[in-house]
Amino acid sequence: AQTVTQSQPEMSVQEAETVTLSCTYDTSESDYYLFWYKQPPSRQMILVIRQEAYKQQNATENRFSVNFQKAAKSFSLKISDSQLGDAAMYFCAYRSAFSGNLFFGTGTRLTVIP
Amino acid sequence: DAEITQSPRHKITETGRQVTLACHQTWNHNNMFWYRQDLGHGLRLIHYSYGVQDTNKGEVSDGYSVSRSNTEDLPLTLESAASSQTSVYFCASSESWDTQYFGPGTRLTVL
Repeated sequence: AQTVTQSQPEMSVQEAETVTLSCTYDTSESDYYLFWYKQPPSRQMILVIRQEAYKQQNATENRFSVNFQKAAKSFSLKISDSQLGDAAMYFCAYRSAFSGNLFFGTGTRLTVIP
Repeated sequence: DAEITQSPRHKITETGRQVTLACHQTWNHNNMFWYRQDLGHGLRLIHYSYGVQDTNKGEVSDGYSVSRSNTEDLPLTLESAASSQTSVYFCASSESWDTQYFGPGTRLTVL
């Protein structure tokens, strides 16, 4: 099975500042998808952003962007202009192009300091 | 609006009892998944289904079963609940192999 590693159990950021969450993964496949999910205290899993491995351009969704380094198997999430509502657990996830199954990292808890 | 729901949201049961957690989606998605979430492990796949009558084992399937008799529902059954199955359970669905959408979760406590 593919492995997804999030090496930062906890991160904090000042409101309005920028923070980057790290994620690395291990796979022998060349075609796959990567995701960042947000889990606020409500426990609901919310899709933040997705990246197709065959696309060189980094995905962007408003204040959220990724730095996808395919050769390094790295997929970091950058949150700009952090807001109090960004406080949550963030999970990185991997999906093969040939399967519907998601493999998750262990998560990073983000605290936003007012 | 289409959605995915789980019931119950909270459940307390005793060791050895059979428990069934319900998952219902109104998107008409072919694919449905069950995950458990534990501290230090993130979410791990229990079972999944790619269509009616199709079920498959995931990474942590021991002690769990599912059945898919229609498109909308994928109930998860714990045949004989164990304390190690105390966890938060999430159901998800997706169209084809696209993005998965998650239900609100069920917190299960096995005493």
